[in-house]
Amino acid sequence: ETGVTQSPTHLIKTRGQQVTLRCSSQSGHNTVSWYQQALGQGPQFIFQYYREEENGRGNFPPRFSGLQFPNYSSELNVNALELDDSALYLCASTSNRGPEAFFGQGTRLTVV
Amino acid sequence: AQSVSQHNHHVILSEAASLELGCNYSYGGTVNLFWYVQYPGQHLQLLLKYFSGDPLVKGIKGFEAEFIKSKFSFNLRKPSVQWSDTAEYFCAVLPLGGYNKLIFGAGTRLAVHP
Repeated sequence: ETGVTQSPTHLIKTRGQQVTLRCSSQSGHNTVSWYQQALGQGPQFIFQYYREEENGRGNFPPRFSGLQFPNYSSELNVNALELDDSALYLCASTSNRGPEAFFGQGTRLTVV
Repeated sequence: AQSVSQHNHHVILSEAASLELGCNYSYGGTVNLFWYVQYPGQHLQLLLKYFSGDPLVKGIKGFEAEFIKSKFSFNLRKPSVQWSDTAEYFCAVLPLGGYNKLIFGAGTRLAVHP
């Protein structure tokens, strides 16, 4: 167990809808990152949150947005869902003590 | 562009065979290097890591990896695999000096037959 929990575990949405995924970071971890893992590929960095602000972003459009809360938990929001957004979304947390990232079990999003 | 290449997408071995999974990255600066493993139905778990010092690092479950700076490589090895090693293995690079953006390879799916 990593201590990083994500909800929900599975989700089915219709193209054009909006979705919110949630992540609770491991105790003592103040940085949360989100990754998208498409089928047969490695995880791709979406963005990172530290002190409730986005401080790094990968090659994802603005309809991917996020939040971090004072307790370090985080949300990933995706607007105007597209079929290609179907993927496993992973949350990872890190602490000031080291760069090792600890991952949650992911949310499997299917867009139909 | 920064990238990570894993040479083998699928590997099939018999128990007790030796394993070597290749990983090369493209980035000219200082990096931290990781191997993660994903067992069926489970989350990504850290197998081992390299930050600095001895380029041969040992991880959990008998795995080790060697960092060869001149070749930009970080290959994963295990002398004798077990059926329980069946999983997907991901090499990841963390370029230093910025935020914690891990760059992953596409993964290698390992199947070990009894």
